[in-house]
Amino acid sequence: SSELTQDPAVSVALGQTVRITCQGDSLRSYYASWYQQKPGQAPVLVIYGKNNRPSGIPDRFSGSSSGNTASLTITGAQAEDEADYYCNSRDSSGNPLVFGGGTKLTVL
Amino acid sequence: QVTLRESGPALVKPTQTLTLTCTFSGFSLSTSGMCVSWIRQPPGKALEWLARIDWDDDKYYSTSLKTRLTISKDTSKNQVVLTMTNMDPVDTATYYCARIHLNIGIDYWGQGTLVTVSS
Repeated sequence: SSELTQDPAVSVALGQTVRITCQGDSLRSYYASWYQQKPGQAPVLVIYGKNNRPSGIPDRFSGSSSGNTASLTITGAQAEDEADYYCNSRDSSGNPLVFGGGTKLTVL
Repeated sequence: QVTLRESGPALVKPTQTLTLTCTFSGFSLSTSGMCVSWIRQPPGKALEWLARIDWDDDKYYSTSLKTRLTISKDTSKNQVVLTMTNMDPVDTATYYCARIHLNIGIDYWGQGTLVTVSS
């Protein structure tokens, strides 16, 4: 089982704002990264560090962190944002990397 | 342009050893801060981190799988190899290799290779 916990599914109306969360003790010390994965494709990095977007990622994606919770916010969700989203970070049991269980985002 | 490509058998039998090769371009694994990881994803399930090898040859393994995994690199060939022993049907998954930049995290992924474990 993952030491990073995500809600299995979240939905958002087209054009609205959605927050996807990731909880874990290690997040008190380390930033989370966020990945978007569409069916049949490899994951794509969307947020890393405090709140950094790789080149080509729309600015509607943003990240934040508070206590043991990291959040990915999509402001003005688009149909193409429908995907699975995974957080990752270090964990507290010796693994340098661990993934959350993923959140399936549905854009209505 | 950074690219990674996984190669290996699509089908292995239970108890066999799986050997996967990641061939990459666009960066050097001898550059400080560069690492390569293996991650897998069973069909319909979440990502699972497996192993990492660093530019200085430090190696890290998933605590739950460390007795079965070995990661190595050939810097001259731009390749990273993962071996997993004693394969079981529950190890059926798409296996990804990915680049890690220590200041960023996993920033580039291969396309993945599906490995099925079945007799």
